[in-house]
Amino acid sequence: GAGVSQTPSNKVTEKGKYVELRCDPISGHTALYWYRQSLGQGPEFLIYFQGTGAADDSGLPNDRFFAVRPEGSVSTLKIQRTERGDSAVYLCASSPRGGGGTDTQYFGPGTRLTVL
Amino acid sequence: GIQVEQSPPDLILQEGANSTLRCNFSDSVNNLQWFHQNPWGQLINLFYIPSGTKQNGRLSATTVATERYSLLYISSSQTTDSGVYFCAVNRAGKSTFGDGTTLTVKP
Repeated sequence: GAGVSQTPSNKVTEKGKYVELRCDPISGHTALYWYRQSLGQGPEFLIYFQGTGAADDSGLPNDRFFAVRPEGSVSTLKIQRTERGDSAVYLCASSPRGGGGTDTQYFGPGTRLTVL
Repeated sequence: GIQVEQSPPDLILQEGANSTLRCNFSDSVNNLQWFHQNPWGQLINLFYIPSGTKQNGRLSATTVATERYSLLYISSSQTTDSGVYFCAVNRAGKSTFGDGTTLTVKP
């Protein structure tokens, strides 16, 4: 079956603009995760969904970042008033059950966001 | 939060050599995964290994949860093994990654 997909693959925007990044998880996966990866570093946790609800959003850096998963499948990460420091690769992962992190996460290819 | 340290940060090998990558973590965790990030940025699952030992071809991994470390072994390395290897620990749904080991295998 299809893996995790993310769109767009690349996004270039200007400082102050609003962006939306989309994640399509593996069909049937209950849990969905967003991460951000800067050059030379490991991915940094942003938020974790169990079904439709955000089980842990402690990694969102500030209130400019918001994520939704209204039907328990596709998720959208929304960034308002983008800043140059938001430039990074945004990664999405899904896992079959979640349940506190007790199963394997499968990652998408990422969206490279560049804020000019 | 949990701290994850990987060593060495960089490793250069000749094709055919063996290597051991280490991941130390600072607290008890629900699970641990090893990933390989290829040159295109895709994170590829290698092992889901909260404890014990697993093998998959030339790769194997061991996690000693009570001592809070995991090891990834690569035998008979190939140029296609090049890339960054990450370990990630998960506690209550939140994953913490190390900064990775960058492996370069020379022909």
